[in-house]
Amino acid sequence: DAKTTQPTSMDCAEGRAANLPCNHSTISGNEYVYWYRQIHSQGPQYIIHGLKNNETNEMASLIITEDRKSSTLILPHATLRDTAVYYCIVSLGGATNKLIFGTGTLLAVQP
Amino acid sequence: NAGVTQTPKFRILKIGQSMTLQCTQDMNHNYMYWYRQDPGMGLKLIYYSVGAGITDKGEVPNGYNVSRSTTEDFPLRLELAAPSQTSVYFCASSQTSTGELFFGEGSRLTVL
Repeated sequence: DAKTTQPTSMDCAEGRAANLPCNHSTISGNEYVYWYRQIHSQGPQYIIHGLKNNETNEMASLIITEDRKSSTLILPHATLRDTAVYYCIVSLGGATNKLIFGTGTLLAVQP
Repeated sequence: NAGVTQTPKFRILKIGQSMTLQCTQDMNHNYMYWYRQDPGMGLKLIYYSVGAGITDKGEVPNGYNVSRSTTEDFPLRLELAAPSQTSVYFCASSQTSTGELFFGEGSRLTVL
């Protein structure tokens, strides 16, 4: 599975959009990009995933570059409750669907 | 729907003791996983299962064993507990091979 690189931490003002970048330059053509977040010491929560096209759901948008070497998770209107560690994961899915988590980005939403 | 349920939530073990962390899901998911998370670190995959009777090792399987006799249950067994196994353990399940993982609330284990 491809390795990902994320900034260690980011700040965002409450009510503004939070844009979290992820580099995955060694991604292969059939690997998906997943985003999860972990609030404090709770279990990780799924946010969104995509293969090639941009995706949007009720939580966030996922923008994947055309060459698929990087992606951005966008939280359109960040709230204090969005303060969490955000994990970008690249995985084949496939027969096992096992995900390898890195250390993620700590997003701190400021009032 | 309870989702993924883990027990116990907290446990203190002495070195050399053994115990089983229980994980049950009521979503009829075929795929189940055990992760551990050390302080300030990301999650590491211990074992996973793609269906009843099928299990395989993840990144850090040493010191652990699993079984999957039913679709619902995926217990994690710690034999001869060591201080290095002090961690928070998360169980997860998913319905499809590319879909989202649903995580339990975690089991915090301390080995003294």
